[in-house]
Amino acid sequence: GAVVSQHPSWVICKSGTSVKIECRSLDFQATTMFWYRQFPKQSLMLMATSNEGSKATYEQGVEKDKFLINHASLTLSTLTVTSAHPEDSSFYICSAAPGGGNTIYFGEGSWLTVV
Amino acid sequence: DAKTTQPTSMDCAEGRAANLPCNHSTISGNEYVYWYRQIHSQGPQYIIHGLKNNETNEMASLIITEDRKSSTLILPHATLRDTAVYYCIVRSQGGSEKLVFGKGTKLTVNP
Repeated sequence: GAVVSQHPSWVICKSGTSVKIECRSLDFQATTMFWYRQFPKQSLMLMATSNEGSKATYEQGVEKDKFLINHASLTLSTLTVTSAHPEDSSFYICSAAPGGGNTIYFGEGSWLTVV
Repeated sequence: DAKTTQPTSMDCAEGRAANLPCNHSTISGNEYVYWYRQIHSQGPQYIIHGLKNNETNEMASLIITEDRKSSTLILPHATLRDTAVYYCIVRSQGGSEKLVFGKGTKLTVNP
């Protein structure tokens, strides 16, 4: 299947700082990427849909000013957690479908720990 | 909200077939049934999807009932590495159509 890669795999940051997570489609172009968050022992929760060249669409209850999404190219979307707090510690996962196709592939995920 | 219902957990003996059920009684005519699995601390892995015909690939088989209100994912010869949470998701086609995850089924393959 298609390859979606995230970086970093894990990151520790201090409370109040911002941290950026990258999501890349390695062997295809993606006009749309999706960002999820997953807390321990819970399912994936969709945060937002990232659209290349336009604003992201956020799910209800997700603060757009806190979780900044930029989709500047067809192979890269970034999620920036601004003014991070310990409750933002979570597993963040991105996904995309090759060529706007039917099957969505997921990145390896990024662990964020805010101390 | 997720449009599927799955058992919370299941067990299977190594080498035996694992049959994971999923109910999706409100599925629309243009929605496909997708299956993903998530091994601990990893991103979800695509397994298979189908519309109304049964499907098979190198990983699994997908059996969809004629009324499309339920389906079964079959892992023909489960191994310990198949221990994971399995998610059944209904979704319309198209790259911009999002996947909404339910709680899934935790499958434990026992030696």
